[in-house]
Amino acid sequence: SQKIEQNSEALNIQEGKTATLTCNYTNYSPAYLQWYRQDPGRGPVFLLLIRENEKEKRKERLKVTFDTTLKQSLFHITASQPADSATYLCALDMGGGATNKLIFGTGTLLAVQP
Amino acid sequence: ETGVTQSPTHLIKTRGQQVTLRCSSQSGHNTVSWYQQALGQGPQFIFQYYREEENGRGNFPPRFSGLQFPNYSSELNVNALELDDSALYLCASSSPRGGQETQYFGPGTRLLVL
Repeated sequence: SQKIEQNSEALNIQEGKTATLTCNYTNYSPAYLQWYRQDPGRGPVFLLLIRENEKEKRKERLKVTFDTTLKQSLFHITASQPADSATYLCALDMGGGATNKLIFGTGTLLAVQP
Repeated sequence: ETGVTQSPTHLIKTRGQQVTLRCSSQSGHNTVSWYQQALGQGPQFIFQYYREEENGRGNFPPRFSGLQFPNYSSELNVNALELDDSALYLCASSSPRGGQETQYFGPGTRLLVL
């Protein structure tokens, strides 16, 4: 079955630095990969989607890369701020396309220190 | 804030009881997906409803069932509750039209089974 691994330990960085989060997957070749942010007690919030034929996607301070050979996605937050502190989830669409039937990783907790 | 609402926000039940959770999708969205999120884990896909029909199901037993209504709101029903059903239950709405559309999550219902 599909397995998604994210940094299991919390990531602590200083304000202003770039945070890099990793998402590795096995046993599947997804057409889409998504990243979400989740704050405590809240539902996930969609951040970015990247397609298998896209190497990189950017949105403001966020950048996502997608390497289908390595089966890995990297999520970068540049010029990080304490307000970026949250859990970040990667998710694959298991429907073989744009179905929104998602498999999520366990998430990485990011803490940005002022 | 997304336009997806869920009720109730919190619920306490005992083993063996039945529970119904409700979700109102964002205006114009005809697809609702339900997820279960245990503490410290990523959301797990339960099932999806599209235009009042079940449109895919994850690895959950039949005692997890759902409904979608003509106004696209949805219910998740869980029978014969078990202690392991304690989790945050999330619904998400989307409206795929020829491509990937953003999926919007509600705030979730926190269920505790004693």
